[in-house]
Amino acid sequence: AQTVTQSQPEMSVQEAETVTLSCTYDTSESDYYLFWYKQPPSRQMILVIRQEAYKQQNATENRFSVNFQKAAKSFSLKISDSQLGDAAMYFCAYIPGSGTYKYIFGTGTRLKVLA
Amino acid sequence: SAVISQKPSRDICQRGTSLTIQCQVDSQVTMMFWYRQQPGQSLTLIATANQGSEATYESGFVIDKFPISRPNLTFSTLTVSNMSPEDSSIYLCSGQGPGDIQYFGAGTRLSVL
Repeated sequence: AQTVTQSQPEMSVQEAETVTLSCTYDTSESDYYLFWYKQPPSRQMILVIRQEAYKQQNATENRFSVNFQKAAKSFSLKISDSQLGDAAMYFCAYIPGSGTYKYIFGTGTRLKVLA
Repeated sequence: SAVISQKPSRDICQRGTSLTIQCQVDSQVTMMFWYRQQPGQSLTLIATANQGSEATYESGFVIDKFPISRPNLTFSTLTVSNMSPEDSSIYLCSGQGPGDIQYFGAGTRLSVL
């Protein structure tokens, strides 16, 4: 069965510091996509970053970057220069590339940013 | 990207009544999804809304309780029927665009008394 695991229920980071959120997944597929979504207290889920499994290069979006290790089935999110607005729940999600449209979400990591 | 408008944003309902949640997308999307989320927890997929056909429900969710409509590629509704306090939750809709990216509405916080 395909699963996504986020082992850190909660993380804290000092403003302007760097934090890494962990995500591991289990799949027998070779083609798939991975995502990090942010859900602030306003509830709206926002895409942070997307990674295609066949691309070896790690995706980056401004202060957000991933460390994608396909063999280890690991997909961690690094947030640099943390800002107060980064405080949110972060969900890791997986979808196979074989035409199945349903996401598999992790349990989420609550990130607190300390001023 | 797509912008998804979901309404109502919150509601308080009496036991035994029904509530219909609407989800409007500003562009055509292939798939639309309805989720339930308890505060502080992950998302649970209720069903996939298919344009022009019946929705596909996940295990534990049935059409009589959660009827879904999708009359076109930009609109869908979810009805929570014969509500009980156990239905109190956050309900989210999403639309799937290119690159398998899902765009989400802001959610509906439902409280059933």
